[in-house]
Amino acid sequence: DQQVKQNSPSLSVQEGRISILNCDYTNSMFDYFLWYKKYPAEGPTFLISISSIKDKNEDGRFTVFLNKSAKHLSLHIVPSQPGDSAVYFCAASAAKTSYDKVIFGPGTSLSVIP
Amino acid sequence: EADIYQTPRYLVIGTGKKITLECSQTMGHDKMYWYQQDPGMELHLIHYSYGVNSTEKGDLSSESTVSRIRTEHFPLTLESARPSHTSQYLCASSRLAGGTDTQYFGPGTRLTVL
Repeated sequence: DQQVKQNSPSLSVQEGRISILNCDYTNSMFDYFLWYKKYPAEGPTFLISISSIKDKNEDGRFTVFLNKSAKHLSLHIVPSQPGDSAVYFCAASAAKTSYDKVIFGPGTSLSVIP
Repeated sequence: EADIYQTPRYLVIGTGKKITLECSQTMGHDKMYWYQQDPGMELHLIHYSYGVNSTEKGDLSSESTVSRIRTEHFPLTLESARPSHTSQYLCASSRLAGGTDTQYFGPGTRLTVL
């Protein structure tokens, strides 16, 4: 059973518009969340993270929102650029427990159309 | 800039062959990981290591084995490859134990077993 879900396998957005990538999780012990970005033929690279003590974290064009009660987080990219076209993985961990492994979602493929 | 390397990048072999996928990092990270990923699916942790002489199995059962004789080197071996082993294998490392530390990924090895 997937503990981290990304229900949209793909998303297309016009350049300059906002991209919103969604992620849901089932394990209430998760308290740290990360987004990774992956280009074809490369490994994932870290993008942004958020701790459960916050509900928002911003880094330039990228903002992650966390709704703990809904077990939902989202990544907003504003404005979207063609170079943002990649697969985005949501990941979660229970950092305060001894189970310190990171669980990845299946990814959402974002296409930013010029 | 993360320095983690994987060789080979692509490998096509016949059933029954023994193979070793190499992974090296020059960042002095103690924790290293191997993930397996099929297209459109989540990354599955198959092995990890907390440091030299430490190896643990991940959440996904794998017929592969790993070793950690040196901090910088974490090779993965398949004694007898089968078509079911066809997948992408991603190596990663992180500086700290715990789920809050950023993982740095190598470019991956795409393995095809005929």
